[in-house]
Amino acid sequence: KAGVTQTPRYLIKTRGQQVTLSCSPISGHRSVSWYQQTPGQGLQFLFEYFSETQRNKGNFPGRFSGRQFSNSRSEMNVSTLELGDSALYLCASSALFRQNTGELFFGEGSRLTVL
Amino acid sequence: DQQVKQNSPSLSVQEGRISILNCDYTNSMFDYFLWYKKYPAEGPTFLISISSIKDKNEDGRFTVFLNKSAKHLSLHIVPSQPGDSAVYFCAAMKSSGDKLTFGTGTRLAVRP
Repeated sequence: KAGVTQTPRYLIKTRGQQVTLSCSPISGHRSVSWYQQTPGQGLQFLFEYFSETQRNKGNFPGRFSGRQFSNSRSEMNVSTLELGDSALYLCASSALFRQNTGELFFGEGSRLTVL
Repeated sequence: DQQVKQNSPSLSVQEGRISILNCDYTNSMFDYFLWYKKYPAEGPTFLISISSIKDKNEDGRFTVFLNKSAKHLSLHIVPSQPGDSAVYFCAAMKSSGDKLTFGTGTRLAVRP
């Protein structure tokens, strides 16, 4: 069974640009969550999608947005990039919305560097 | 507002000895706790969890202890192996299955 796939794995952008990251969840998983990992901050929750609807959102500015498609694939977009957006962006999937066990399956992440 | 805290950014342990990783939380609404392990260039992987109705959960070499009154949990690894060297994240959630709130991680190094 294929795991969570994130593309691209690495990318470099400059301030002011925008970026789109993609996530394909495990087959059959309908919930996708996005997290930002930076040194010293751990994993910060961005948003969660289930059945194409955003079900939960973290405390990030409106420059961060996402969506989920009918095949459960998800994208997140960051507009007007800032230096502080440099981070590892992790996508995680689970079979159920708000899975009680909290067990998420993470992808390897997309490493974004903003210059 | 860091609701889940891992105050030790790093820990070094001799192979074969016990590794103890600590985690504190502030939100009394949390009642399900998890540990994730992360190797470089890989995503975090689920390790072990515990519900607030328990104070201990064991899975092989890994045991998680929960002290609700102190809002503290710990992960014990016995015996520690070099392959355990990774970053360990503590996470918490409410029983409704709300989003996971992660700590900042502790980097464990197990010396051969």
